[in-house]
Amino acid sequence: DGGITQSPKYLFRKEGQNVTLSCEQNLNHDAMYWYRQDPGQGLRLIYYSQIVNDFQKGDIAEGYSVSREKKESFPLTVTSAQKNPTAFYLCASSRGGMGSYEQYFGPGTRLTVT
Amino acid sequence: AQSVAQPEDQVNVAEGNPLTVKCTYSVSGNPYLFWYVQYPNRGLQFLLKYITGDNLVKGSYGFEAEFNKSQTSFHLKKPSALVSDSALYFCAVRDDGNNNDMRFGAGTRLTVKP
Repeated sequence: DGGITQSPKYLFRKEGQNVTLSCEQNLNHDAMYWYRQDPGQGLRLIYYSQIVNDFQKGDIAEGYSVSREKKESFPLTVTSAQKNPTAFYLCASSRGGMGSYEQYFGPGTRLTVT
Repeated sequence: AQSVAQPEDQVNVAEGNPLTVKCTYSVSGNPYLFWYVQYPNRGLQFLLKYITGDNLVKGSYGFEAEFNKSQTSFHLKKPSALVSDSALYFCAVRDDGNNNDMRFGAGTRLTVKP
């Protein structure tokens, strides 16, 4: 997991509340990603960013928002509009958003909404 | 759009035996292929990748994978399994003509029994 930190590791929220998940990297990577992992479904892309101040929707962006004000940081907000927010959230980064670059992952945040 | 399939949800092997975790892919261009491993409640760790060149790719922890273009496969292998190899394994593909999009398989849980 080296070089990418996510906090907190576990997060509990009441339904109807927005919550922001932190992701920071010190790898000097240009591209950053947010994935959602549910049992048996692999990873699904929520948002990605190839450069500062730019980001793109992934497959399941509804109910989520992001910002990329600094190269090192890519926070994810889970809004009350997200109908099923309980999941394991993974942040990743890579040297570039294209080509053959592998992604490096943070340790994840497990969000539980009740 | 590119896609990847991991046909086995679960693979069980005895310690010391060879292991294979299967992956097939679909792309319109040329594939960039990746294998990742995930231990419980952790992020994904990069194992190896195929970009071009030799069809047999060697990676971390003694793992290797063979790219087979005719069968559109990229199976992960290890000659002698260890109990500590027990984890969730993900195959991923990116199309060199659609570099923004990396697709992950649903994952295969490998259990190595002593």
